[in-house]
Amino acid sequence: QKEVEQNSGPLSVPEGAIASLNCTYSDRGSQSFFWYRQYSGKSPELIMFIYSNGDKEDGRFTAQLNKASQYVSLLIRDSQPSDSATYLCAVARGKLIFGQGTELSVKP
Amino acid sequence: GAVVSQHPSWVICKSGTSVKIECRSLDFQATTMFWYRQFPKQSLMLMATSNEGSKATYEQGVEKDKFLINHASLTLSTLTVTSAHPEDSSFYICSARGDHSYEQYFGPGTRLTVT
Repeated sequence: QKEVEQNSGPLSVPEGAIASLNCTYSDRGSQSFFWYRQYSGKSPELIMFIYSNGDKEDGRFTAQLNKASQYVSLLIRDSQPSDSATYLCAVARGKLIFGQGTELSVKP
Repeated sequence: GAVVSQHPSWVICKSGTSVKIECRSLDFQATTMFWYRQFPKQSLMLMATSNEGSKATYEQGVEKDKFLINHASLTLSTLTVTSAHPEDSSFYICSARGDHSYEQYFGPGTRLTVT
């Protein structure tokens, strides 16, 4: 079992819809969770981090953490074509452990 | 967010030569810096972790004599690819983390092509 797992996608959603990206992790002791966005040919960009159970909202982005079920998700409301990218989930354990990323495609 | 720069953004070198890549944290002190490599269509692969003033810790399978890392100050780390070969061609990305923080900020990356 991989330490951090994501569906590789691609996940395709129409413009204006909600995109839901999911991530599960194996280490129950993990405390800090991150979502990065990576455009093709570019380096990752930090979108959000979450430490506590529940939801954390920042603009069109909402991160959700459920430690009991060991999953963290990212919701993107009102998806735009410019949101098309690979989204990386990461869990901090001294260093970041990355999932393989989910490719999101937002169709106009 | 914090800003991390890398130089050069791309480099082409001949097989057998060495290439140095710089990574700088511009507006914060980076107690820890990380070096990643990414091949096309693949995920990030952590190569090594370096703390200011200490020797780098390399991930399993990464040759420390080939990928020399120096973290001489709280704002600068360098990666030197020695005796580069075509299979070293990749996208090299650094990231930096401040003290008392888990957030890592990535540099823009360096695309290395070895001919």
